Amino acid sequence: DARVTQTPRHKVTEMGQEVTMRCQPILGHNTVFWYRQTMMQGLELLAYFRNRAPLDDSGMPKDRFSAEMPDATLATLKIQPSEPRDSAVYFCASGLRALFSYNEQFFGPGTRLTVL
Amino acid sequence: AQTVTQSQPEMSVQEAETVTLSCTYDTSENNYYLFWYKQPPSRQMILVIRQEAYKQQNATENRFSVNFQKAAKSFSLKISDSQLGDTAMYFCAFTLIQGAQKLVFGQGTRLTINP
Repeated sequence: DARVTQTPRHKVTEMGQEVTMRCQPILGHNTVFWYRQTMMQGLELLAYFRNRAPLDDSGMPKDRFSAEMPDATLATLKIQPSEPRDSAVYFCASGLRALFSYNEQFFGPGTRLTVL
Repeated sequence: AQTVTQSQPEMSVQEAETVTLSCTYDTSENNYYLFWYKQPPSRQMILVIRQEAYKQQNATENRFSVNFQKAAKSFSLKISDSQLGDTAMYFCAFTLIQGAQKLVFGQGTRLTINP
């Protein structure tokens, strides 16, 4: 049963600390999305990768957030330095993008981040 | 830019009743998909149903069906014979067929099924 995995599931940290969230997409998928869910903003896209290349990170605060895919089995989202307003649930989703069709995005379980 | 609006923050019905969740969206594009996602307390995002904009026939998945009104840009979800396990947040979402296919979500409707 192929699933997207995310680690850690929960993270509590203090303001100013670096936070790294990891995602393992489903094997064979060529797209990875990072979404953030907050009560105020709802679910919003932070970054998008296709074939490991970042194609859209317009939703991400550039000064403190960074997203990478070191290889096809790992996507990372880093926050440095973290702030209380970064407290949210961060979802990773993967899919298999093909021309002229939609391929379902499979979501991971999310990382609940609390910044004190 | 595309936007999705869910006007019902919360809804509550009795078990076995039928409930309809509303969603409207705004886009100038013609080729897109619409979705309903379910998020139970576990936080897992679960795809409930999908509708291709070029299809006139409304999508159905067992007890779940949609009423897709393209001209009105309306996309409601009907849950028949509701069950306790249907209790969750429900998100309406939109994506263009072309490009990144990133999902644009509504604010969600918290649905409670009461015994």
